[in-house]
Amino acid sequence: QSALTQPASVSGSPGQSITISCTGTSSDVGLYNLVSWYQQHPGKAPKLIIYEDTNRPSGVSNRFSGSKSGNTASLTISGLQAEDEADYHCCSYADPATVVFGGGTRLTVL
Amino acid sequence: QVQLVQSGAEVKKPGASVKVSCKASGYSFTDYYIHWVRQAPGQGLEWMGWINPNTGGTVYAQRSHGWVTITRDTSISTAYMELPRLKSDDTAIYYCARVSVPVHSGSFDSFEYWGQGTLVTVSS
Repeated sequence: QSALTQPASVSGSPGQSITISCTGTSSDVGLYNLVSWYQQHPGKAPKLIIYEDTNRPSGVSNRFSGSKSGNTASLTISGLQAEDEADYHCCSYADPATVVFGGGTRLTVL
Repeated sequence: QVQLVQSGAEVKKPGASVKVSCKASGYSFTDYYIHWVRQAPGQGLEWMGWINPNTGGTVYAQRSHGWVTITRDTSISTAYMELPRLKSDDTAIYYCARVSVPVHSGSFDSFEYWGQGTLVTVSS
């Protein structure tokens, strides 16, 4: 079970859009529609922001969106705000009956 | 409201064991899988395994197999994660997390609820 691949860091200015990629394999990201994304502020537990590849839980800003193509999932944050500065983790269900995370991406709002 | 409340921070010596608890409230404990995830300092999240609180069945990450043990006590709605033979690189925050879908829908969809985390420090 290898970790999913995410960029270590991304940055953007307020108001801009950024995209974080999450690359897996045909045994995880590419096989199931079960990619989820989590936002984590320093010292806090992760918070679910996207589930089942593209769905947003109630209460999560519509500035957050998820997509997927083949073995790569993506998280896009539009209209960047200072409060979006955090770590973002992707996660996928994987064969057999396991779960795998990405290495995490640190978002800096310039 | 759904809550997962974990036991407090632990400091252990190498070779010792640790058992972290996760008490659930606000829902029927046996209806949702509980998973354990850890995060070493400055690192990403690492999935360790899950338990079906209804049956007690477990699945562990390959790396965790034969090493971590996840159990539950349904009478007090609590899940446990035990690590034996601790090493310094086991120093991490350990989280329990509840999935979004009930047990009849599978072991994982996403992690909707998280415990507050338990810091385990392994140091001589």
